[in-house]
Amino acid sequence: KQEVTQIPAALSVPEGENLVLNCSFTDSAIYNLQWFRQDPGKGLTSLLLIQSSQREQTSGRLNASLDKSSGRSTLYIAASQPGDSATYLCAVSDSSYKLIFGSGTRLLVRP
Amino acid sequence: SQTIHQWPATLVQPVGSPLSLECTVEGTSNPNLYWYRQAAGRGLQLLFYSVGIGQISSEVPQNLSASRPQDRQFILSSKKLLLSDSGFYLCAWSFSGGYTEAFFGQGTRLTVV
Repeated sequence: KQEVTQIPAALSVPEGENLVLNCSFTDSAIYNLQWFRQDPGKGLTSLLLIQSSQREQTSGRLNASLDKSSGRSTLYIAASQPGDSATYLCAVSDSSYKLIFGSGTRLLVRP
Repeated sequence: SQTIHQWPATLVQPVGSPLSLECTVEGTSNPNLYWYRQAAGRGLQLLFYSVGIGQISSEVPQNLSASRPQDRQFILSSKKLLLSDSGFYLCAWSFSGGYTEAFFGQGTRLTVV
């Protein structure tokens, strides 16, 4: 059974710092991995999708990498801003079309 | 472009009452559809998913059911709500064929009292 773990559970950093969020999964037979952002009381916003054949994806100040064989992904946020404060979730999909989520990293960027 | 609509945004229901949450997708056909529940401070739990009209897969035995009466409509229901049904319910869709990006609605905050 696929399990997804995110470390750390919470993170507080000063504005301007570069940071890395980690995601690990137990079964490397995934089809893709997706990073989401969730603001309090809101739905999920898709940030980046990495197909299993890809190593990384970039969007603006965000860069996500995937090491499928070791079951790990990282989300790198450059030059963090207070507006980046949110919960970040990673999810993997398998052959059954399902998304399996981690429990998220709650990020606070202090002005 | 595609959009997903989910309503209501908030709902307070007494124990034992019925439930119906609706989700619709516009701008695509035959999407994969999903219902997730997020308990306070916890990750998302997949409840149901559907790859076509009338095709519903259930992930966990529970007090809830799902239906897909039309191609782009996904309904989450309960005949009698329990206190433990409280949570944040999220509908999502992805393109048919699987393995593609998933897009989420804004969620419904359900409180059972």
